Amino acid sequence: DVKVTQSSRYLVKRTGEKVFLECVQDMDHENMFWYRQDPGLGLRLIYFSYDVKMKEKGDIPEGYSVSREKKERFSLILESASTNQTSMYLCASTTAGTSGANVLTFGAGSRLTVL
Amino acid sequence: GDSVTQMEGPVTLSEEAFLTINCTYTATGYPSLFWYVQYPGEGLQLLLKATKADDKGSNKGFEATYRKETTSFHLEKGSVQVSDSAVYFCALRVDTGFQKLVFGTGTRLLVSP
Repeated sequence: DVKVTQSSRYLVKRTGEKVFLECVQDMDHENMFWYRQDPGLGLRLIYFSYDVKMKEKGDIPEGYSVSREKKERFSLILESASTNQTSMYLCASTTAGTSGANVLTFGAGSRLTVL
Repeated sequence: GDSVTQMEGPVTLSEEAFLTINCTYTATGYPSLFWYVQYPGEGLQLLLKATKADDKGSNKGFEATYRKETTSFHLEKGSVQVSDSAVYFCALRVDTGFQKLVFGTGTRLLVSP
């Protein structure tokens, strides 16, 4: 069974802490994504990566950075957590190419609370 | 820019009722359209998709037809079950090569016995 695994389901951090959210996929997918999910706002794209060491800003990259050192792993980093980054974070991956049949596979999510 | 508009929820129905969740979109080019579902405590999973005008996606009794003339992709099910209670997201993708999805805000469905 193919999977996208987010290592931490629930985290509680303090304002100013550095936070790492890890995502690993076992499908040999080229593309990986980080979204945040907030009530009434749906999912918003933070960053995505289409290859190792490559990254692109999404719609709301401010306050975040990412790292993709290996194809299967895509990390989201909050350099200095703030309360407005309290949210559900979703990682997803898909194969490369422009086929309309390509589908995103999502992880179960990481719920982050910043106090 | 590209966007998706969904009806606000929650949608509250009794078991075996007919379901419609409206979704309209704005996009440049010819997008692919998707419905994703999120069950409580889980991530999103694909429910159905359509890649060109007049295509009908279907899965688990749910259906949606890609209507280019009305820029819509409404989700329907003839008889809902309690187990269908979830949040439903409409999404589009314009194939720029990076497979980015643009999501609607989600519609919560609550089905009571």
